[in-house]
Amino acid sequence: QTVVTQEPSFSVSPGGTVTLTCGLSSGSVSIGYYPSWYQQTPGQAPRTLIYNTDTRSSGVPDRFSGSIIGNKAALIITGAQADDESDYYCLLYMGSGIWMFGGGTKLTVL
Amino acid sequence: QVKLQESGPGLVKPSETLSLTCTVSGGSISGYYWSWIRQPPGKGLEWIGYIHYTGQTNNNPSLKSRVGISVDASKNQFSLKLTSVTAADTAVYYCARYHCPNGICNGYDYWGQGIRVTVTS
Repeated sequence: QTVVTQEPSFSVSPGGTVTLTCGLSSGSVSIGYYPSWYQQTPGQAPRTLIYNTDTRSSGVPDRFSGSIIGNKAALIITGAQADDESDYYCLLYMGSGIWMFGGGTKLTVL
Repeated sequence: QVKLQESGPGLVKPSETLSLTCTVSGGSISGYYWSWIRQPPGKGLEWIGYIHYTGQTNNNPSLKSRVGISVDASKNQFSLKLTSVTAADTAVYYCARYHCPNGICNGYDYWGQGIRVTVTS
């Protein structure tokens, strides 16, 4: 069974830029997978950042952006801030009405 | 502003059925796709399944036939039933609304706050 892959952890310096990726154990992610991205801090519900590859959800700062880079979906955070320290999850549409989350990336800002 | 609120028992005994309801306020359940997601303690998010307001459903094959999702448009609610639960079903359960412009869903736009369910005897 195909699995959605994410980096388990990543670190970025305050003010820096980080690219988190979302791939497949077999195959390439394209816009037809409708990648979306979610931010979650401990004890809180996920917050939608990006849907449909690159569309920011209402109220999300423009330092968060989404795209396809190579064979993966990507979440790019520019000018990282301390409160960006969170877990980030991608969600892909796998076809036939099935959706799948990636395992999540724990982002540290230090 | 659309709001989603999960409700149901916080404790369920092994082998019994977990039943949760998501109440939608600030908007109609009609015209949208709705979903259940869960997160075991210390782990990532797991997609459980979805339902359209018309009753069309689909769910995670890994949960096989244990999952049932239903909708009650008259109450602006949709529900989850998970049968034959074990400790592995202990998780925070979230309900969410799909963002589906022009009928093509491309992620979630609204989430509930989540409800913690523990399977224990």
